[in-house]
Amino acid sequence: DSGVTQTPKHLITATGQRVTLRCSPRSGDLSVYWYQQSLDQGLQFLIQYYNGEERAKGNILERFSAQQFPDLHSELNLSSLELGDSALYFCASSAHGQGAGEQYFGPGTRLTVT
Amino acid sequence: AQSVAQPEDQVNVAEGNPLTVKCTYSVSGNPYLFWYVQYPNRGLQFLLKYITGDNLVKGSYGFEAEFNKSQTSFHLKKPSALVSDSALYFCAVRDMKGDSNYQLIWGAGTKLIIKP
Repeated sequence: DSGVTQTPKHLITATGQRVTLRCSPRSGDLSVYWYQQSLDQGLQFLIQYYNGEERAKGNILERFSAQQFPDLHSELNLSSLELGDSALYFCASSAHGQGAGEQYFGPGTRLTVT
Repeated sequence: AQSVAQPEDQVNVAEGNPLTVKCTYSVSGNPYLFWYVQYPNRGLQFLLKYITGDNLVKGSYGFEAEFNKSQTSFHLKKPSALVSDSALYFCAVRDMKGDSNYQLIWGAGTKLIIKP
C-alpha cells in the first residue's frame, strides 16, 4: 500500500457528462501529480500541484481541470466527456516538488465513458 | 527536448535467467533517472533511481540499474528472473538543467514476461 488513496475506483458515465476524481496524498507529501493511462497512449502526465499551487502542466486538455486544497487532497475534474477519455487515471504524490524524489502512486480510477 | 525511449515493447525471459530492460534518454543537463513497475490492475511502484554517484544503483525486489553517461542509457537488470517479476516496467527522466521543469518524462513501458 503506497499510502495514496483515490476515489472512486471505477466510474461509468455517458458522453457529455462531468466527473470528479479525488486523490489523497501520502501523509506529509506536498506534491500531487495526475496521470492518464490508456492502452494506445501509455502513461501521460497531466498536471502537478505543489502545496496548493500549480507547478507543472503536461498534456492536459482544456476540458480537464484540477486543484489542490488546503488539506492537500486534490481533485481532477473532467467535463464534456468523450469516448476517448476512457482510461485509467492515476494520482501520485511526492514529498517535494522538484522531481528529485520518487512518486508514490494510488491504485487509480478506471473511467469508462459510454 | 527531453525524451525517454524504451526500445522493446516486450521482453521474454525464462525463469532463472538474467533479465535486462532497456532505457535510453536525451536531456540537456544532468539527468535524474527512475524505474517504476506496474503489476496488473495496480498503480506504479517505485523501484530505484539514479541521482548522482555510483553508476550501479540497487533497488527493490533484487533489481539494479546501470547508468551509462556516454551511451545515455539506464538499463534495468536482475541476475535471476522470477515469474512474479512479470509486469510492465517504466523508465522516467527529469532534466536537471534549469529550475522550471519539474515533471518527469516517461517511457512508453516494456512488458516483461517471465516464463516458468
